[in-house]
Amino acid sequence: AQKITQTQPGMFVQEKEAVTLDCTYDTSDQSYGLFWYKQPSSGEMIFLIYQGSYDEQNATEGRYSLNFQKARKSANLVISASQLGDSAMYFCAMRGTLNAGGTSYGKLTFGQGTILTVHP
Amino acid sequence: GAVVSQHPSRVICKSGTSVKIECRSLDFQATTMFWYRQFPKQSLMLMATSNEGSKATYEQGVEKDKFLINHASLTLSTLTVTSAHPEDSSFYICSARDINYGYTFGSGTRLTVV
Repeated sequence: AQKITQTQPGMFVQEKEAVTLDCTYDTSDQSYGLFWYKQPSSGEMIFLIYQGSYDEQNATEGRYSLNFQKARKSANLVISASQLGDSAMYFCAMRGTLNAGGTSYGKLTFGQGTILTVHP
Repeated sequence: GAVVSQHPSRVICKSGTSVKIECRSLDFQATTMFWYRQFPKQSLMLMATSNEGSKATYEQGVEKDKFLINHASLTLSTLTVTSAHPEDSSFYICSARDINYGYTFGSGTRLTVV
């Protein structure tokens, strides 16, 4: 079974500062993928960044970077130079692999989410 | 990029009626579609996984007869909430998986049962 844990229900950051959102995971799979999504109040899920379990380099996408520490099973999201528009709920998610029946290939398991508020 | 169109975005229905939610992949073939349910300020909970042309796989605790999922083509999957009750009021969102595009989410449907 897979588990994703986000221990920060809410985070506050000043505009233009950096913020780290924590994510730890648990899996027995050797191959897995880790995702971060942003969900504004409108409800849409916006893909931010992806890290594969075999990727040696930390993923980066613009102002987003993923601090991947495999031995510690953590995949924290770092947002640099925060903007007011970054205020939203953020989810860490893990991609599963084929289950025994092969019918749930690649389903995502989500963490509890972190509500980020950026102050001007 | 890949787009999944989800309709309706909002629906209000009377208790006891059924509601159908559609998700269409517009520019790719979605071999697998995932359906999630989300309560306010909570996580997305996977309800079921559907593969084109086969029966959906439901997560433990999800009533198959209440949440009917059909994935009749590579571009369309539907979720029907049958005999809806106020406790079914929630945000429902679909996600399509394609080997080329990864995961693409629909924009979600806010269901209110009165």
